[in-house]
Formats: sequence, structure tokens, C-alpha cells
Amino acid sequence: DVKVTQSSRYLVKRTGEKVFLECVQDMDHENMFWYRQDPGLGLRLIYFSYDVKMKEKGDIPEGYSVSREKKERFSLILESASTNQTSMYLCASSLAYRESRTKNIQYFGAGTRLSVL
Amino acid sequence: GNSVTQMEGPVTLSEEAFLTINCTYTATGYPSLFWYVQYPGEGLQLLLKATKADDKGSNKGFEATYRKETTSFHLEKGSVQVSDSAVYFCAGISGTYKYIFGTGTRLKVLA
Repeated sequence: DVKVTQSSRYLVKRTGEKVFLECVQDMDHENMFWYRQDPGLGLRLIYFSYDVKMKEKGDIPEGYSVSREKKERFSLILESASTNQTSMYLCASSLAYRESRTKNIQYFGAGTRLSVL
Repeated sequence: GNSVTQMEGPVTLSEEAFLTINCTYTATGYPSLFWYVQYPGEGLQLLLKATKADDKGSNKGFEATYRKETTSFHLEKGSVQVSDSAVYFCAGISGTYKYIFGTGTRLKVLA
């Protein structure tokens, strides 16, 4: 079974703090994703990485950065946390897209609920 | 642009009732479609999928058929259980990696 592990289930931080959210997957997946989940808005993509040191902005990258130094690990960084970044953060991974591959399934971690006070 | 629209919740049903959660999509081409489920305190997990028109995905008594003519992928279950209480997300994959998620539908099943 694919396992995607997020380092913290709950975090409480102060406004202006630098926050690191860590995600590790154990299935040698090329793709990794960070989403935030908010009531009524569903999941919104923050950043995507398709290879080590490679990243692409998602729909809402403002206020966030990411780091992928190793294939299995993808970190989300809030440089200066703000109250509007209070949310549930979900990490996911998947195999690289192939036309002939019918799966394209994303596997999710349990989520990190971040509160910024 | 591409989008996925699903019915708003919450949906409250009695145990053994029939469930339908509507999902429609707008996309260029024919995306693969998915239903994910999120149980309380957990991340999302794949419930079922369909990769082309007329495909039927099924799992754990849930079914959904990819209807190209109505651009729909409605989730159904004939007899829900209390353990089915969760949030259900419809999603499509657009292009090579980007998922488009619906806003989620919360289901509550009462004993």
C-alpha cells in the first residue's frame, strides 16, 4: 500500500512565524502535491512537483513556497504565517502521467490542520 | 475553464436508504473521473474511478457511470450504512497531472 505521511496532524503557530509542513511518500512516486482544504471551497492546489528540485505553481501559491530535495519528501513552507492561512493542508503523491496508464490516482496523507493565531 | 460541480450538502439519510450524489464536469476532451472519500480525521482516499465514456466504477457498494452525453458522474449506493458517513469529492484529471476537485458533499447516515 502507498503511504503518504504528513509530519504533524495539528499545528498552532503565531502570525509572522515561519512554518514548515513535511510530507514523505514511500512508493517512489514522481509527482507530489500540496493542497489546502477549506469548507465550501474543496481542495485547491498550492504547488506541484514532478521531480526532485522541480516545482510548479498551482492555483493559490501566494504566501507559500516548497522544497523537494529528495524524491520521497516534499515540504511546504509558509515564510511568514498569517491568519488567513489557517486551514487543513493535504499532501498527495502519484506516479508520473502516462497516456497508457489508466490510473493517475493521487494518494493522500491524513492532513495537517494548521491554526495561525 | 475545466470545472467539476457537485451537489451541496449536507445530505442526511437513514440507514439502508438509497444515495445519489450528483456530479457534473466541464472539460476539454474527456477527462478521467474519480470519486474520493474523506472519513472524519483522515485524508482523501480513492473510492472509484472511470477513465472513458460509459465506464462504470464500483467499490464497496458504490457505483458511478461516466456519462458523456450529460457530462455526469453521479455517485450511487443502494443501501447506505452509518459507516458511510464521510465527505465525498468528485474529481477529474485535466491534462497530465492537475486534478479538478468538486467542493465536497458531506453525508451523514443515521442509525
